[in-house]
Amino acid sequence: DAGVIQSPRHEVTEMGQEVTLRCKPISGHNSLFWYRQTMMRGLELLIYFNNNVPIDDSGMPEDRFSAKMPNASFSTLKIQPSEPRDSAVYFCASSLWLEATDTQYFGPGTRLTVL
Amino acid sequence: AQRVTQPEKLLSVFKGAPVELKCNYSYSGSPELFWYVQYSRQRLQLLLRHISRESIKGFTADLNKGETSFHLKKPFAQEEDSAMYYCALSGRNTDKLIFGTGTRLQVFP
Repeated sequence: DAGVIQSPRHEVTEMGQEVTLRCKPISGHNSLFWYRQTMMRGLELLIYFNNNVPIDDSGMPEDRFSAKMPNASFSTLKIQPSEPRDSAVYFCASSLWLEATDTQYFGPGTRLTVL
Repeated sequence: AQRVTQPEKLLSVFKGAPVELKCNYSYSGSPELFWYVQYSRQRLQLLLRHISRESIKGFTADLNKGETSFHLKKPFAQEEDSAMYYCALSGRNTDKLIFGTGTRLQVFP
């Protein structure tokens, strides 16, 4: 298994453009998480899904951010319009959650730079 | 409020010195605590969890409910321990993790 797959690995865009980040979780995992990592705030949970359903999106910074999980093997995080303060590394993680907290497996991250 | 605090952004030690990475938490209920590690050019990965009560790569962490702490310790640091360390918190019946801001450990030769 290649683990959690994220694309693109690097994204450079201009302010105002739409950005779409993609994630493929580990096959069989039923929970998927989107995180943002910055120097100042560390690792912040943006949103997570369980069985493709959004469970908690309280970490989504504002309406410019949206996430979808149309099926068990794919999720997107979209920023529209993007702003320079959105520059960060965005991680996707997945886990198999049954009755107790299980290990989260992280993707390599997407480094987003908004000019 | 649920919160994880890692007071040190950077911790620098020499090889062979003891290491303690501090983590304090705020949580109403019975928490589950974790340490995740991110080595250079590698993915963030689980290092250890308090319920396992195990030592991984020489690291241990004890949950102290009285002090609401989960400090990560190693008696003799190695250069390969240099990495970013995140303390994380979860509760029962949820798989949501709350991370601290992380501590970068630098081990000098």
